[in-house]
Amino acid sequence: DAGVTQSPTHLIKTRGQQVTLRCSPKSGHDTVSWYQQALGQGPQFIFQYYEEEERQRGNFPDRFSGHQFPNYSSELNVNALLLGDSALYLCASSLGLAGGRTQYFGPGTRLTVL
Amino acid sequence: RKEVEQDPGPFNVPEGATVAFNCTYSNSASQSFFWYRQDCRKEPKLLMSVYSSGNEDGRFTAQLNRASQYISLLIRDSKLSDSATYLCVVMKYGNKLVFGAGTILRVKS
Repeated sequence: DAGVTQSPTHLIKTRGQQVTLRCSPKSGHDTVSWYQQALGQGPQFIFQYYEEEERQRGNFPDRFSGHQFPNYSSELNVNALLLGDSALYLCASSLGLAGGRTQYFGPGTRLTVL
Repeated sequence: RKEVEQDPGPFNVPEGATVAFNCTYSNSASQSFFWYRQDCRKEPKLLMSVYSSGNEDGRFTAQLNRASQYISLLIRDSKLSDSATYLCVVMKYGNKLVFGAGTILRVKS
């Protein structure tokens, strides 16, 4: 049973560049949520995708955008990178939008912005 | 004020000790509650869900007090392998997870 996978594992970019992170959900899951975890902090919710639509969004600027594909995989795009975007980006998958569903996290992509 | 607040620790305890973590949340509309464990530079992993009736999983006991908006985690007979960051998590409408900043536990021999 394949778990949540993310690519790449590490990424180094410079300010102003754009980045795309990828996530494949756990087998059987159809909902993908993205979180940003800065050093020493808990993960913060960026947005959630279900049925190829953004269903919820956290307090992140429009520079953060995403997409979900028909096979339920997802991308997170960040434009005009800032130093403060350096963080661990986590993807979590679950089944549907009903309350209480367990979310399983991928290993994350560690983004460093120089 | 943060929506989920935890004591950051670190809690330094000897092997075999009992340790308790507490967490408070501010949004009374929160629907579900969890403890996740995160090892250094790894992803969070679900430790256990938390219910008002209290629930136990081996050496771990979790409790929810909705009236006080308070969540707890008790670890008995601590092992070296319990060393990690423990994240208190509430789930809001639509399965959005809100995390506390985490409590660091270090178990020493």
